[in-house]
Amino acid sequence: DQQVKQNSPSLSVQEGRISILNCDYTNSMFDYFLWYKKYPAEGPTFLISISSIKDKNEDGRFTVFLNKSAKHLSLHIVPSQPGDSAVYFCAASGTGGTSYGKLTFGQGTILTVHP
Amino acid sequence: EADIYQTPRYLVIGTGKKITLECSQTMGHDKMYWYQQDPGMELHLIHYSYGVNSTEKGDLSSESTVSRIRTEHFPLTLESARPSHTSQYLCASSEATWTGNEQFFGPGTRLTVL
Repeated sequence: DQQVKQNSPSLSVQEGRISILNCDYTNSMFDYFLWYKKYPAEGPTFLISISSIKDKNEDGRFTVFLNKSAKHLSLHIVPSQPGDSAVYFCAASGTGGTSYGKLTFGQGTILTVHP
Repeated sequence: EADIYQTPRYLVIGTGKKITLECSQTMGHDKMYWYQQDPGMELHLIHYSYGVNSTEKGDLSSESTVSRIRTEHFPLTLESARPSHTSQYLCASSEATWTGNEQFFGPGTRLTVL
């Protein structure tokens, strides 16, 4: 039972254009969401997060949108750069009960940005 | 510089050997985690710890064991490695706060069991 899903295994965009990565979740107890970026043979690095009390959070070229009613979040990268090419993981966390402090990850989306 | 370290980065070993994957962090974090990841798949939590002498099993069953004798050190041990243990193992740490849970990851250990 996968609680966090990234249904697009891969995404290819042109440099300078917008990249949109999507993530869906099923557990309504999740109240904090994160995006990580991972290069091959390295550990994931934190990109941006959003609390369930917000619907948007922006940090430079990265913006995360949260639609709680649809249990959907998306990461927008604009403009996309070749150095953004990596695997992007969506993760979710609950701050209460037994899920406190634990992250549940999606399968990842491979982003390729072409020059 | 505050960081999280994992050794070895790569390990190729024969079936039946005992191995220990090391993880250390200099960030002073109370919470530490071990994840297992196969290519194209999500990260699966296999162990976590909320502090010294505290260890719990994660969501994915694993034959590995962990210990937390010091805050900064969280080693993972496989008593008898098997080919099914071939995977990437990622260690992470985070602060013990109620407001979200940003975890910081080490570079990972790529384990291959022949």
